[in-house]
Amino acid sequence: DAGVIQSPRHEVTEMGQEVTLRCKPISGHDYLFWYRQTMMRGLELLIYFNNNVPIDDSGMPEDRFSAKMPNASFSTLKIQPSEPRDSAVYFCASSPFRGPDTQYFGPGTRLTVL
Amino acid sequence: AQKITQTQPGMFVQEKEAVTLDCTYDTSDPSYGLFWYKQPSSGEMIFLIYQGSYDQQNATEGRYSLNFQKARKSANLVISASQLGDSAMYFCAMIPGGYNKLIFGAGTRLAVHP
Repeated sequence: DAGVIQSPRHEVTEMGQEVTLRCKPISGHDYLFWYRQTMMRGLELLIYFNNNVPIDDSGMPEDRFSAKMPNASFSTLKIQPSEPRDSAVYFCASSPFRGPDTQYFGPGTRLTVL
Repeated sequence: AQKITQTQPGMFVQEKEAVTLDCTYDTSDPSYGLFWYKQPSSGEMIFLIYQGSYDQQNATEGRYSLNFQKARKSANLVISASQLGDSAMYFCAMIPGGYNKLIFGAGTRLAVHP
């Protein structure tokens, strides 16, 4: 079975540009998560969806960040406009069930904002 | 407060030896899940092992075992017969009951020496 797929794997952009990160969860998983990993803050949850509906976006840092899940097999995380402090690794993960169930991570997108 | 503490920033072990990575957690929820993930230098997050708070026995997955001591709120990872490929960052994480949010520790960097 294919795991969680993320694209692009690396993104380098200039401050002020729009960035779109993409994720395809594991088929049949009802939950999708976006995490961000930085040296300063470690791994932190940004937002998660259940059956394509955003459930908790309290981790989204500010209005420049937005996430959508138009269908069960695709999600995007958009940053507009991007800033150098957004440089991080962004992970998408999916899980089949609610609660303490295993989340399977994609390979991550390493974002560098110059 | 929900928190994961990993007190060992770095560890090293000789190849073929066993090593224990420490993890303590804090939650008031009676139901929770504990996880260990491995992050090699390539950056992906690899799920290793899961322990539910109501599980009576310690979880094992191949060379990985989780030493779960509920009263002490500890969930240490034991890697037996270390291999060079085990060199990586290891993250302990928790999902408190009723939530889907993975709470991560700061990680322990393990180096396996030949």
